[in-house]
Amino acid sequence: QQQVKQSPQSLIVQKGGIPIINCAYENTAFDYFPWYQQFPGKGPALLIAIRPDVSEKKEGRFTISFNKSAKQFSLHIMDSQPGDSATYFCAAGTGNQFYFGTGTSLTVIP
Amino acid sequence: EPEVTQTPSHQVTQMGQEVILRCVPISNHLYFYWYRQILGQKVEFLVSFYNNEISEKSEIFDDQFSVERPDGSNFTLKIRSTKLEDSAMYFCASSLSTRGITEAFFGQGTRLTVV
Repeated sequence: QQQVKQSPQSLIVQKGGIPIINCAYENTAFDYFPWYQQFPGKGPALLIAIRPDVSEKKEGRFTISFNKSAKQFSLHIMDSQPGDSATYFCAAGTGNQFYFGTGTSLTVIP
Repeated sequence: EPEVTQTPSHQVTQMGQEVILRCVPISNHLYFYWYRQILGQKVEFLVSFYNNEISEKSEIFDDQFSVERPDGSNFTLKIRSTKLEDSAMYFCASSLSTRGITEAFFGQGTRLTVV
């Protein structure tokens, strides 16, 4: 059973656009929802994370929206830049174990 | 800035051979993890380790896998008899986990190629 479902698989936006990446999870026990950014040849790097007691968290140009009742959360990138081109993974879990989504390859066109 | 370091960056091994992947977690972290990523696919959880023992493991982490913290700094993943399908990027991660809050920092990965 896939614990975390992520969409879309790939996304192309113009510079300045607002790409949105969506994730849905199954396990209501999950209490931590990080997003990771991965550049080619590098490990995933923590970008932003949210806990289920808030519905939105913003850090710089990155915003997580969280809908606990729907078991969904999404990443919004404001004023996207070519340097944001990377693969983005959502994850969900509790304690020590995270389950990752399948990743979204984002390309921001100059 | 503290970081998780992994060695080697790339290892090629023959099928059936044993490999050991090494990681140095961030020094004050308490939880350690191994994940793998088959080329172009999602990151998959293998195992977590706390207080010198495995705390959780996935179905992937079968008897051919083992982990060890042989000293105060290294964290290793051993694959006893490698198979072709073990070819993947292996990521080590560590976290400083306090009650209800967890974040993991990943190393740059070891690319394992089994031939």
